[in-house]
Amino acid sequence: LAKTTQPISMDSYEGQEVNITCSHNNIATNDYITWYQQFPSQGPRFIIQGYKTKVTNEVASLFIPADRKSSTLSLPRVSLSDTAVYYCLAMDSSYKLIFGSGTRLLVRP
Amino acid sequence: EAGVAQSPRYKIIEKRQSVAFWCNPISGHATLYWYQQILGQGPKLLIQFQNNGVVDDSQLPKDRFSAERLKGVDSTLKIQPAKLEDSAVYLCASSAPGTVDTGELFFGEGSRLTVL
Repeated sequence: LAKTTQPISMDSYEGQEVNITCSHNNIATNDYITWYQQFPSQGPRFIIQGYKTKVTNEVASLFIPADRKSSTLSLPRVSLSDTAVYYCLAMDSSYKLIFGSGTRLLVRP
Repeated sequence: EAGVAQSPRYKIIEKRQSVAFWCNPISGHATLYWYQQILGQGPKLLIQFQNNGVVDDSQLPKDRFSAERLKGVDSTLKIQPAKLEDSAVYLCASSAPGTVDTGELFFGEGSRLTVL
């Protein structure tokens, strides 16, 4: 599975759009890019997954360029409740997820 | 739909004692995972089951950790004897067939272990 690299922490303010970029230079052809969110004292929760181009759901958008060496999670108009750790992961057909340290997002009022 | 159930939520033991954690995955989920999450770190995969067979246990410290998934449903993770560095949250997750198309694993709330 490809190793992913993402910023350790980010700060934002309520109502702003937050973009978290993840680098995955060694991503394999069969790997999907998956993002999870984790609040304190809870297990991680799936946000979104994509293979290439753009994916959007009710929570976030995921942008993956053609070379697939990076991806960007976009959270529109964040609120205080979006303060959490966000993990970028690669998933292959073995259904295995290997977590890194994630990005700690702090949303300020 | 019921989520992934784990118990106990909290456990405090002394080093060299043993402990067991239980997980009941979402009904119909063939794949089950145990992760260890140390404070401030991301979850680390310990073992992955497909039905009742082990897919990957390369990160499981087999001298003290064991896990089983009888009948391909519930699973238990045991630590014997516990060390101080085993203090962590033990997360169980499950996924449905075809998950590679969605990327969605469902996690329980975890079992927090403190080893004194």
